[in-house]
Amino acid sequence: EPEVTQTPSHQVTQMGQEVILRCVPISNHLYFYWYRQILGQKVEFLVSFYNNEISEKSEIFDDQFSVERPDGSNFTLKIRSTKLEDSAMYFCASSRDLREGDTQYFGPGTRLTVL
Amino acid sequence: SQKIEQNSEALNIQEGKTATLTCNYTNYSPAYLQWYRQDPGRGPVFLLLIRENEKEKRKERLKVTFDTTLKQSLFHITASQPADSATYLCALDNQAGTALIFGKGTTLSVSS
Repeated sequence: EPEVTQTPSHQVTQMGQEVILRCVPISNHLYFYWYRQILGQKVEFLVSFYNNEISEKSEIFDDQFSVERPDGSNFTLKIRSTKLEDSAMYFCASSRDLREGDTQYFGPGTRLTVL
Repeated sequence: SQKIEQNSEALNIQEGKTATLTCNYTNYSPAYLQWYRQDPGRGPVFLLLIRENEKEKRKERLKVTFDTTLKQSLFHITASQPADSATYLCALDNQAGTALIFGKGTTLSVSS
């Protein structure tokens, strides 16, 4: 069964450094998402992406964050200058369509630790 | 903005019993509601989706109900097993349909 993959599984970085988290969505999906989950808290929406542009972003997704689909398969989340509070699990998800009820399939996540 | 509450943070039951988890929402009338399972350190895994015009949905030992008057969904696992132990997340679409809004989850522990 097709699945969303994410790399790396764990990323450790120093505060102020840039990180890029990578995702390969399911191949025939058109909509892509990033979510994050701080330890012990709920899964929070960051951004959705369709047709090479951002569809929606949350208040969390400020100027330090950016997303890109550099080729036909990868979808990346960049954090320009990491802060301690960016430490979290970051989940990529994809769906075929935005029609009502189209399921989002999640990747296994990247654990980001900012020191 | 939408608010989702999953009333119990933790639920402990004996193997073989039925687990019932509750999800309440306010300030919104979603077109559909979804339930996900999340194991520690892993991503959410889709279980069931129920639309606003459906009262009940079943999949094997899982059953979901959706009461748009009460603004509540109930998630049942019948004949529960220790392998059902996980955190169960309720999720609604945002009004634009471009994102999922998750509840904090209920952690279910099934003991043998």
